[in-house]
Amino acid sequence: KNEVEQSPQNLTAQEGEFITINCSYSVGISALHWLQQHPGGGIVSLFMLSSGKKKHGRLIATINIQEKHSSLHITASHPRDSAVYICAVPEGGSEKLVFGKGTKLTVNP
Amino acid sequence: NAGVTQTPKFRILKIGQSMTLQCAQDMNHNYMYWYRQDPGMGLKLIYYSVGAGITDKGEVPNGYNVSRSTTEDFPLRLELAAPSQTSVYFCASSYTPSVEQYFGPGTRLTVT
Repeated sequence: KNEVEQSPQNLTAQEGEFITINCSYSVGISALHWLQQHPGGGIVSLFMLSSGKKKHGRLIATINIQEKHSSLHITASHPRDSAVYICAVPEGGSEKLVFGKGTKLTVNP
Repeated sequence: NAGVTQTPKFRILKIGQSMTLQCAQDMNHNYMYWYRQDPGMGLKLIYYSVGAGITDKGEVPNGYNVSRSTTEDFPLRLELAAPSQTSVYFCASSYTPSVEQYFGPGTRLTVT
């Protein structure tokens, strides 16, 4: 079974700061998912990536397949970025995802 | 498109009662999933379906049942509710397992 570890568990930043959230997994994968859970509870998919880097607005996701590691970066953070960020990977080549416990980000004005 | 819808949003059950959590999607997705989210824990897969008439167990299926009679609907049945089933339940769907999943708004269930 793929084990997913995220760090840090909690992160507090000041508006404008550069944020990095890390995700490590134990078994080789085809693709990795980053999701965002809003304070109200809703979950949205941010990225799915299998190599290199993807960018969407101020969010950048990178993955290193050899090191089994991915990072999610937020540039010029804003209070509206406050959310829980979740990493997920496939479980051993199946249709099922294994989720990390999430990183709770709080951005203060 | 409404996306993925779930009903109810909140529910309180007494121990031993039964209920069905409803999930529907209008994106013609083949894959549908039920997850539960407990405080401080990652989402855990309860059941999933790869198409109408086909369902399979996830990581935590005990105490739950599902059916998939149509592409659109994937209800989750709780029989004999127990306090351990107190959780937030999310339904999700995707076109294939290798693309992004779309999540419903969740159902917060309390069993007392």
